[in-house]
Amino acid sequence: GAGVSQSPSNKVTEKGKDVELRCDPISGHTALYWYRQSLGQGLEFLIYFQGNSAPDKSGLPSDRFSAERTGGSVSTLTIQRTQQEDSAVYLCASSLGVGAIQYFGAGTRLSVL
Amino acid sequence: GQQLNQSPQSMFIQEGEDVSMNCTSSSIFNTWLWYKQDPGEGPVLLIALYKAGELTSNGRLTAQFGITRKDSFLNISASIPSDVGIYFCAGQNSNSGYALNFGKGTSLLVTP
Repeated sequence: GAGVSQSPSNKVTEKGKDVELRCDPISGHTALYWYRQSLGQGLEFLIYFQGNSAPDKSGLPSDRFSAERTGGSVSTLTIQRTQQEDSAVYLCASSLGVGAIQYFGAGTRLSVL
Repeated sequence: GQQLNQSPQSMFIQEGEDVSMNCTSSSIFNTWLWYKQDPGEGPVLLIALYKAGELTSNGRLTAQFGITRKDSFLNISASIPSDVGIYFCAGQNSNSGYALNFGKGTSLLVTP
């Protein structure tokens, strides 16, 4: 597609449920990043994929968070046993390669009740 | 990641006025970037700075990469209503996988 696509745009879930958030990067972009934006805050880095290399998971806040990237393209961020503090906008970005400009999707707004 | 200190937190100005915002960090970055975020959208890159001391313009926007590599500022001249939004600074280094470290943002409101 023309830009980074994220789905769903909004997700409401109950505490304790698992959720999956999807990111379709720009075609040909080898690097993919996940960030979290809590209300009134800047973006917080979660995880980074580059090509076929092992992902950099250093930003994941707990072991309830995981992500995978299949075929070097689409990525899924999974949050298990969601908590209210997980409520935030989850943003995905992709870039042509390491150090290249990152282009962001519109995000998924997650609300945990 | 490294949290950047961005100020001011918000600005309320009249159309035509100039705006200045800045960002500081306790550690150095190799790249400084400025993004703008509109409601319900992801951040969009405005200006990227790659060299200490660099001064770069993009239309009415001007940004500088501080000589110490620990700070940057963004100026907007002759503001217009469509400048409304949240402006974020971000620092980037190769040793952290080029993940972006963001400030908390400056919310800009422009009245006609």
